[in-house]
Order: sequence, then structure tokens, then C-alpha cells
Amino acid sequence: SAVISQKPSRDICQRGTSLTIQCQVDSQVTMMFWYRQQPGQSLTLIATANQGSEATYESGFVIDKFPISRPNLTFSTLTVSNMSPEDSSIYLCSGIQGGYGYTFGSGTRLTVV
Amino acid sequence: DAKTTQPPSMDCAEGRAANLPCNHSTISGNEYVYWYRQIHSQGPQYIIHGLKNNETNEMASLIITEDRKSSTLILPHATLRDTAVYYCIVKPYNFNKFYFGSGTKLNVKP
Repeated sequence: SAVISQKPSRDICQRGTSLTIQCQVDSQVTMMFWYRQQPGQSLTLIATANQGSEATYESGFVIDKFPISRPNLTFSTLTVSNMSPEDSSIYLCSGIQGGYGYTFGSGTRLTVV
Repeated sequence: DAKTTQPPSMDCAEGRAANLPCNHSTISGNEYVYWYRQIHSQGPQYIIHGLKNNETNEMASLIITEDRKSSTLILPHATLRDTAVYYCIVKPYNFNKFYFGSGTKLNVKP
């Protein structure tokens, strides 16, 4: 299965700033997704990253806050914009290569101060 | 939306079988049962999936009841490294989004 690398692995950011998280897959994947995991909680799907077009966002998430790019089949970015302490979470990307299994990156641990 | 119910936590002695239950009483005929686990500070890891037959791989076994309303993930010989949160997810095979429920925190103890 694909191997997904995320960077940065962690960051501490000032409120009001933005952070871009990168997700690199070692082989082409048909679909890529971004999740948020708030402290002590389960994973929440943010959006589907569509190659060459605008991402598809889940209810409660908007493009202005979480712009996503996916320029090709192996790379995607998620930006957390105008951050507040409530954005402190782990952000994970995942990919699927046909078949049945998701592969996840190891996540980006974001702390907003 | 999560369609599964799992106990919030379970304990298991090292070397014993860990049996993790999942209730999915509203499962549809085209929905598969998937199991993932998340070891602390890591991304979720695929374990196994099935439709209606029991499945086994090198990691675990999946037992699905005949009415498909519940299932059990079995780790035959739990080790300390199996301590993790285990997620049971149901979804159609051709629907690519996974929605995670709250999962079961499995504590494997020496």
C-alpha cells in the first residue's frame, strides 16, 4: 500500500496566522482526504481533495478556513487559516488506491497559542 | 455519520485473545464492515474488512453475525503493542469516505 509523508510533523503557531500542511504519497492514489482529530477525540473528515479541481468539504468546514490544493495524484496541501486556539488538533491526510484500504499519514500536531 | 456502537474501553491480558465488539444494527446490504486501529500519536492503520463471511488475515479475525447486525474483531494473542483505539466503520464498497465513530480503547496489560 502507499506510504504517506506529512510535514511538518508538529508546529506551534501564533493566533491569526496560517499554516500549510503538506502531504506526499509515494505512489499515485485515486482519492485523498483530510481529517482533523481534536484532543482526545475521534477523527473528523474535513474534505476530499480533488485532483485539479476544488475540494469537496464536509458540513461545518469551509474553503476560506481550510483551503486545500491537489495539483497531482501524489501531493496535496491543507492550509489552516487565521488560526485560533480552537484549531489546535492533529491534522491527517489519507489516500486510497482503488481497492478497499485507506492509508494515513502520521499526522501534523498543531498547537495555536 | 457513524453508524456503529462500540464500548469506550476494554482491558485484555497480554497473550490472551482480545475480542472487540461492534454493533451496526442499521447496516445495509451493500455495506462492508471495516476495522482500523490508531496507536498513540500515529495515523490509523487498516486491520481487516468483510461483508458477511468471516475473514482472517495475519493481524486479526473478523466474525460477522448471520444477520450482520454486529461483528467482533479478534486479536488472537494480544501484545502490549496492540494497545490502541480500534474503530469499526461500515460503508458501501464503492463509497470512498470513511466516517469514524468514537472507537474502543483497548488496553493490553502485562
